[in-house]
Amino acid sequence: AQRVTQPEKLLSVFKGAPVELKCNYSYSGSPELFWYVQYSRQRLQLLLRHISRESIKGFTADLNKGETSFHLKKPFAQEEDSAMYYCALGFRVGNEKLTFGTGTRLTIIP
Amino acid sequence: DTGVSQDPRHKITKRGQNVTFRCDPISEHNRLYWYRQTLGQGPEFLTYFQNEAQLEKSRLLSDRFSAERPKGSFSTLEIQRTEQGDSAMYLCASSLLAGTGGNEQFFGPGTRLTVL
Repeated sequence: AQRVTQPEKLLSVFKGAPVELKCNYSYSGSPELFWYVQYSRQRLQLLLRHISRESIKGFTADLNKGETSFHLKKPFAQEEDSAMYYCALGFRVGNEKLTFGTGTRLTIIP
Repeated sequence: DTGVSQDPRHKITKRGQNVTFRCDPISEHNRLYWYRQTLGQGPEFLTYFQNEAQLEKSRLLSDRFSAERPKGSFSTLEIQRTEQGDSAMYLCASSLLAGTGGNEQFFGPGTRLTVL
């Protein structure tokens, strides 16, 4: 069965400092990994996906199959990055269902 | 607003009552998903439709839960004989099945259910 682990429920980082939100997964097939973000009073929205290899809002995430990780990183945190971040695992084709982690609340300290 | 919409946004009910939620997906999307989110947890998959066909149901979806998507457009999720453990945020998402690539799911604002 697939599982996503986000070990940190809360993470506080000073503005301008690097950010790393950890995500580990377990899945025997070919996974597709996502990061979703939920800003205050807004709906859940896709931040980035490993298949596109994009950098969105300065965030990047690399899929490491050996370590089964998909950590989210940003070199310089900004105040607007404060939000709830969820790592999610889907299937390579169709993503019929997403398995989410429990989320990490990121707070950027001015 | 062309995003996913859900109605109602909040529902308070007494234990034992039935409730029904509605989800309107993005108009051209053929896939529709329901998730449940409880406090401190990420969303948990409940069920999904491709057009009007319900293709998968989670074991979380007990016999008291039923979902429909009668014309392949909007969907309803009904909970019969509600229990306090049903209190949660119910999220709807939709996506467009296209090719073999992963499909981005767009989420609605959710319906928050409180069972007293």
